[in-house]
Amino acid sequence: QVQLQESGPGLVKPSQTLSLTCSVSGGSIVTDSYYWSWIRQPAGQGLEWIGRVFSSGSTNYNPSLKSRLSISVDTSKNQFSLRLNSVTAADTAIYYCARSARTVVGATFPWGQGILVTVSS
Amino acid sequence: AIQMTQSPSSLSASVGDRVTITCRASQGIRNDLGWYQQKPGEAPKLLIFAASTLHTGVPSRFSGGGSGTDFTLTISSLQPEDFATYYCLQDYDYPLTFGQGTRLDIK
Repeated sequence: QVQLQESGPGLVKPSQTLSLTCSVSGGSIVTDSYYWSWIRQPAGQGLEWIGRVFSSGSTNYNPSLKSRLSISVDTSKNQFSLRLNSVTAADTAIYYCARSARTVVGATFPWGQGILVTVSS
Repeated sequence: AIQMTQSPSSLSASVGDRVTITCRASQGIRNDLGWYQQKPGEAPKLLIFAASTLHTGVPSRFSGGGSGTDFTLTISSLQPEDFATYYCLQDYDYPLTFGQGTRLDIK
């Protein structure tokens, strides 16, 4: 079955760029049936949807992050990526990647295990 | 953005109890809603999609209902493994938005 795995630095300095990659295994990222999402969760808090990318490359972003955010897909590597620039301590969180069904509402699964990213000097 | 108001924020219950969690959307979202369970140190897991359809492998003691603005997640007879935090998620419109979560712990 499809599995997702986040990777990237666990520590980023303030004002720098947070870059994460999600590797998809067990299935192709090139599909019209799903899109690929990033979600984050500060310690002890709730979940925040960051944005999503389709295998075509089109994206939707959370307006609260849009000015700092870029999500892209690399079909040759079966990966998608997140870049968030000008980070602050408020961006410290566990970042999850996940797959969402396009034609089945409310169905986001599976999720990656998550990666903790700390913004600190 | 569509706001999802989840209640209660926390709930204490006993094994065997029936519990219901509610999620209210700030505007109509048809049935474009999922329920997720998260245990400490783990990623969320899908329980129910399309408001009322049980995801593969999820025990039948879980059920979902509602459409439009009001939704429910019911656990008919709590088991020890059900003590966790539950979230609703609307994907009717972006930005997708989650409820703030309901922490379910043992009484």
